[in-house]
Amino acid sequence: EAGVTQFPSHSVIEKGQTVTLRCDPISGHDNLYWYRRVMGKEIKFLLHFVKESKQDESGMPNNRFLAERTGGTYSTLKVQPAELEDSGVYFCASSQVAVESTEAFFGQGTRLTVV
Amino acid sequence: SQKIEQNSEALNIQEGKTATLTCNYTNYSPAYLQWYRQDPGRGPVFLLLIRENEKEKRKERLKVTFDTTLKQSLFHITASQPADSATYLCALLMGGYNKLIFGAGTRLAVHP
Repeated sequence: EAGVTQFPSHSVIEKGQTVTLRCDPISGHDNLYWYRRVMGKEIKFLLHFVKESKQDESGMPNNRFLAERTGGTYSTLKVQPAELEDSGVYFCASSQVAVESTEAFFGQGTRLTVV
Repeated sequence: SQKIEQNSEALNIQEGKTATLTCNYTNYSPAYLQWYRQDPGRGPVFLLLIRENEKEKRKERLKVTFDTTLKQSLFHITASQPADSATYLCALLMGGYNKLIFGAGTRLAVHP
């Protein structure tokens, strides 16, 4: 069974440009999460989808970030326009049921560098 | 807000010894506590979950304890092997929420 897949694995963009990250969760997992780790800090929650609905987006830093999950399958996270402080590793995770009672499966992450 | 502290310095131990990693948290106790392993360039991999009403959980060479009085969880790897070298992350889940709050992680190096 395929795990959580993220694309691209690396992205280098200039400040002010737009970047779209993609996450394909494990098939059948209704819960999808986005997290990120910025340099030297801990991994922090961004948002949570249940199917196509945003359950919790309290961790989204500002309105330059837009996450979608049309059809309840894969998800995209768009940063527009990107700023230097957006650099970091963006992780996607999925779980079959609520993560409180089970494990979350993480992708390998997308390393975003804004120059 | 909830804060999690893990030893920021790397833990170096000899192969065969028991590694003990610490996770301390502030404020109120989480409903669940999870431990993950992360290798360089990879995402976190789930290891164990312990609930607030559980004192201890075991899985093969791994053991997790949860002390809500001390606000602390300990993660033990017995008979450690060089392949256990990685960063270990503690993550909390507060009741009624569905998002993980991570510590910064502790890097473990097991030397032959």
